[in-house]
Amino acid sequence: DVKVTQSSRYLVKRTGEKVFLECVQDMDHENMFWYRQDPGLGLRLIYFSYDVKMKEKGDIPEGYSVSREKKERFSLILESASTNQTSMYLCASMVWGLNQPQHFGDGTRLSIL
Amino acid sequence: AQSVTQLGSHVSVSEGALVLLRCNYSSSVPPYLFWYVQYPNQGLQLLLKYTSAATLVKGINGFEAEFKKSETSFHLTKPSAHMSDAAEYFCAVSEGSGGYNKLIFGAGTRLAVHP
Repeated sequence: DVKVTQSSRYLVKRTGEKVFLECVQDMDHENMFWYRQDPGLGLRLIYFSYDVKMKEKGDIPEGYSVSREKKERFSLILESASTNQTSMYLCASMVWGLNQPQHFGDGTRLSIL
Repeated sequence: AQSVTQLGSHVSVSEGALVLLRCNYSSSVPPYLFWYVQYPNQGLQLLLKYTSAATLVKGINGFEAEFKKSETSFHLTKPSAHMSDAAEYFCAVSEGSGGYNKLIFGAGTRLAVHP
């Protein structure tokens, strides 16, 4: 079974802090994704990566950056956290192929105070 | 670009009743479609996927979905709801371009099951 592990289930940070959310997958998947999920808004794609050191903006990249130095690890960075970034963050990975599903981690519930 | 519409952000059924969650897609090419389930405070789990092999797709936990090209629909059903089915359900369509592919998700439908 594919395992996608997010480093924290719950995280509390302060406004202005630099925040790192880590995601690791164990199946050698090329593609990795970061979403945020808010009530009534569904999943919104922040950034994704289709190869090491490659990144693409999703629908809501403002205020975020990402890093993918190794194939198995994809990090989401909040450069200067703000209260409107309080949300559930989900990481996913998938292999190449239009018929392939994404595999999700359990999510990180981030609160910015 | 592809898009997905889920009709009804909230659906409520009685235990033992039919579950019907609606999904319509927009795609310029034959689509690959997915249903996911999310239990409280968890990530998304794949229920089933359509990849053109058969129009009726069976998934986990007794769910199935039927692909209807003429209606551009991929509705999710379960004959008899169980309390444990209470969760949020997401429909998604695959999109690919150049060197990457990703999923486009609907807004989700929250299913409540009452005794």
